[in-house]
Formats: sequence, structure tokens, C-alpha cells
Amino acid sequence: EPEVTQTPSHQVTQMGQEVILRCVPISNHLYFYWYRQILGQKVEFLVSFYNNEISEKSEIFDDQFSVERPDGSNFTLKIRSTKLEDSAMYFCASSNNRGSSYEQYFGPGTRLTVT
Amino acid sequence: DAKTTQPPSMDCAEGRAANLPCNHSTISGNEYVYWYRQIHSQGPQYIIHGLKNNETNEMASLIITEDRKSSTLILPHATLRDTAVYYCIVRGGSSGSARQLTFGSGTQLTVLP
Repeated sequence: EPEVTQTPSHQVTQMGQEVILRCVPISNHLYFYWYRQILGQKVEFLVSFYNNEISEKSEIFDDQFSVERPDGSNFTLKIRSTKLEDSAMYFCASSNNRGSSYEQYFGPGTRLTVT
Repeated sequence: DAKTTQPPSMDCAEGRAANLPCNHSTISGNEYVYWYRQIHSQGPQYIIHGLKNNETNEMASLIITEDRKSSTLILPHATLRDTAVYYCIVRGGSSGSARQLTFGSGTQLTVLP
């Protein structure tokens, strides 16, 4: 069964450094998402992406964040200058539309630790 | 998207049916009910969704009341591996865009041996 994959599984970085989190969505999906979950808290939406542009973004997704689909398979989240509070699990998801429903399939996540 | 209310926790005996309730009294006509679960910090896993009719798949059944103000997710024969946080999410669909999922606190289901 096709699945969303994410790399790396764990990334440790120093405050102020740039990080790129990578995702390979399910191959025939057209909609892509990033969510994050700070330890012990709810899963929070960051951004959705369709047709090579951002569809929606949350207040969390400020100028420090960017997304890109550099080729036909990868979907990346870049954090330009990491802060301690960016430490979280980051989940990528993808979906395809079936009528008006868009069930999203999530990857296993990347644990980002900012020191 | 309509707000949902779920009990914070439930227990279920292994092999028995787990019935997880969700209230969504402000749901509107074009909003779907989705269920996801998250096993210990893994990525959320899609389970099932429905609009009006009851739905069943290989994982679970979804019963939606006639007025659509509440629903129940049924895991027919719960196993220890079904221990997870279960999220009930209501979301509208709109043509040409894919909308975010808004996760609440969910229900922590613990399946007991």
C-alpha cells in the first residue's frame, strides 16, 4: 500500500541554523500539507500546497517557514533560522480529492530538536 | 468547521467492541465527519469518514445520527494495538482546494488485556 515517507526521522540542530525537512507524498496525490506537534500538545496545521502554490497557511507559518516541491516527488519544509520553540514533530500529509472529501494520509514524522 | 466534543478517555476490554462517541451539534450540510487516530507520537492515521450515511471499512464502522449532530466510531473487536488517541474532526469540502484538519484533544482509548 502506498505511503507518505519523511526524512530524516530525527534532526538535531542549533538555534539559528536552517533546516530542511523532506517528504515524499503518495504518488498520485495532488494536495500536500505540513503539520507539527509540540510534545504533549495538539497536532497543529502549518500549510497546505496545491498546484505549486500555497493554498492555506496558519499563523504559525511565518516568514521563517517556506515550502517547495522541487521535483515531481519531493515536498520540503524549510525553517530559515530555527528557534528553541520550533522543537516538535513535523508531519507531512498528502491527499487527493474524491468529490468533496479529502482524506489525508500522514507520514511518520520528523522529530526536530533545536538546542 | 464545526467544533467537536469527545470524552477525554475510555477503556475497552480486548476483543470487545470499542464505541467512541463524538458530538458535533453545529455541523452544517456539506461538512464531513472524519476519524483519525494517533498511536504514541506516530503520524495520525486516517480511519474512516462519512457525510450522512453509515460507513464501514476494514478498520471500523461509523454511525452518524439522522440529525448528524453526533456520531460513533466502532472498532468491532479491539486489540491492544488499537490503544491510541482517536480524533473526530468535522470539515467541509470545497471544490478546488484542500482544507486543513483541525485536531482537538481527542479520546485516549486504552484497550485492556
